[in-house]
Amino acid sequence: SQTIHQWPATLVQPVGSPLSLECTVEGTSNPNLYWYRQAAGRGLQLLFYSVGIGQISSEVPQNLSASRPQDRQFILSSKKLLLSDSGFYLCAWVGLAGVNEQFFGPGTRLTVL
Amino acid sequence: DQQVKQNSPSLSVQEGRISILNCDYTNSMFDYFLWYKKYPAEGPTFLISISSIKDKNEDGRFTVFLNKSAKHLSLHIVPSQPGDSAVYFCAASAAISGNKLVFGAGTILRVKS
Repeated sequence: SQTIHQWPATLVQPVGSPLSLECTVEGTSNPNLYWYRQAAGRGLQLLFYSVGIGQISSEVPQNLSASRPQDRQFILSSKKLLLSDSGFYLCAWVGLAGVNEQFFGPGTRLTVL
Repeated sequence: DQQVKQNSPSLSVQEGRISILNCDYTNSMFDYFLWYKKYPAEGPTFLISISSIKDKNEDGRFTVFLNKSAKHLSLHIVPSQPGDSAVYFCAASAAISGNKLVFGAGTILRVKS
């Protein structure tokens, strides 16, 4: 069966520090991968998606970047965090072409102080 | 511009009664709709979906209704249970946009025992 992992689960970082969040998927190959952010009291906002290794599409201009160095690994990064980067970051995957349902990881709670 | 709207931030229902969660959308290109359930500090869990070629889909206690002319969908939970208390997100996608999900802001459901 397929599983999706995210780490760390929680993170507290000072403003201006770098960020690296990791997402890995098991039990599937060539998945579409997605990064979302949920700000406090808000819905889920799509940040990046990837249809393959090295292929990244950005949905909104922001202080973050994404990379996909391996088929089942998706990384969210920042060189210098802002206070507004605080939120709950979720990774999701779709395993089959033509399937709309995305399956989410457990999320990372990021607090920037 | 919010393409998917959940106008009720919260809903309180007695155990055993019906819960009705509503969602409106503006983009007529949306052709697939999903409902997710989310507990605090966890990733959303897929609940049920419906294609635009249908007007109803049922799975156990959960039924989703789609009214394309009104651009409105609803999730019915019958009977409601305390374990159903969570945030419910409506999402929509369009094949023409690569099936990327657009989420509503969510509705907090509280089922009282």
